[in-house]
Amino acid sequence: EAGVAQSPRYKIIEKRQSVAFWCNPISGHATLYWYQQILGQGPKLLIQFQNNGVVDDSQLPKDRFSAERLKGVDSTLKIQPAKLEDSAVYLCASSPSSWGNTEAFFGQGTRLTVV
Amino acid sequence: SQQGEEDPQALSIQEGENATMNCSYKTSINNLQWYRQNSGRGLVHLILIRSNEREKHSGRLRVTLDTSKKSSSLLITASRAADTASYFCATLPGGKLIFGQGTELSVKP
Repeated sequence: EAGVAQSPRYKIIEKRQSVAFWCNPISGHATLYWYQQILGQGPKLLIQFQNNGVVDDSQLPKDRFSAERLKGVDSTLKIQPAKLEDSAVYLCASSPSSWGNTEAFFGQGTRLTVV
Repeated sequence: SQQGEEDPQALSIQEGENATMNCSYKTSINNLQWYRQNSGRGLVHLILIRSNEREKHSGRLRVTLDTSKKSSSLLITASRAADTASYFCATLPGGKLIFGQGTELSVKP
């Protein structure tokens, strides 16, 4: 079974530029999560999708971040414009259920550096 | 805001010793999960314990859950250098998968 795929693995951009991350969850998984993980901290949930609907995006800075999950499958997370404090690892995860009865499977993440 | 808080923040032990990490959370839960993260990698699920369970084992891992104290502990027995990683507890308040700040475990050979 293929895991959660994320791309790119690394990205370096200048502040005020735009960037997009892509995630392809495990086939058949209804729930998709995007997390931001700053060095030395735990993952912070940015947005959670159930199929193609948003379950929670309360921690997503909506003035600069956007995310979509077209057709309830893969997803993109965009930052526009980027700030220095957006430097972090962006993790995508998926699970069969949104109610936590099963584990979440994580991709390898995208390491973003904003200079 | 973080739901779970791990303690200690960092732990350094010798190979062969046991490692215990604790997690406290704020709201009622259906279950609690533990994950491991090796340096620069994604998170890997270790174990899930349901609210009606008090203890669960998986290999060298032992997890306990005390819902009256809103706390859980993860015990790794006979630790190995390969256990060096960050360990996170995660809960699902309102269906959202929320992680704590983690415990950084270092196992020295």
